[in-house]
Amino acid sequence: EAQVTQNPRYLITVTGKKLTVTCSQNMNHEYMSWYRQDPGLGLRQIYYSMNVEVTDKGDVPEGYKVSRKEKRNFPLILESPSPNQTSLYFCASSPRDRGYPYEQYFGPGTRLTVT
Amino acid sequence: RKEVEQDPGPFNVPEGATVAFNCTYSNSASQSFFWYRQDCRKEPKLLMSVYSSGNEDGRFTAQLNRASQYISLLIRDSKLSDSATYLCVVNPGTNAGKSTFGDGTTLTVKP
Repeated sequence: EAQVTQNPRYLITVTGKKLTVTCSQNMNHEYMSWYRQDPGLGLRQIYYSMNVEVTDKGDVPEGYKVSRKEKRNFPLILESPSPNQTSLYFCASSPRDRGYPYEQYFGPGTRLTVT
Repeated sequence: RKEVEQDPGPFNVPEGATVAFNCTYSNSASQSFFWYRQDCRKEPKLLMSVYSSGNEDGRFTAQLNRASQYISLLIRDSKLSDSATYLCVVNPGTNAGKSTFGDGTTLTVKP
């Protein structure tokens, strides 16, 4: 089954404790992206990757890191989480059409709470 | 001004009604446009791509107006199952990887 998986689905952690949210897709998509969704603010793009070893900042990259060592994986790293990073996080992947991401397939989301 | 703006609603309509949503974008160089549907904090799913010529899929019609920089979504004969949040998405042409979502428009279809 074609899908994007994220782990963990739910996480409660404390300020400053490093964490990684994994994202994996099995559709051989070149493009992957991370978003956070907060009430009243919609989905905001954190980082994206156009291909292996190519990553770039979205609209809200502060406090996050990513890497793209393999095509299928795009982990999101929070080196020192803070309470304002409490949010619902979505990973997405997409084939590219004329160089642009096309239909994005989303993972089920990771609900992160930082206390 | 936000790059992509939607009327947040909520839109409360009876079954069978026709409802239309608009989404305006600020970057005239934007290249591709989509409508997604999101159910109650679940993952968004693609509803329709929006082409310059407009496109229709059953009860759903999407239109693009480049001159006025907006896209629209028309839902005819609303069903209870259409209740969801509808997100418009714009990929600006100046930065190929960026993808900007509107805040979403909430639709509730009532019996």
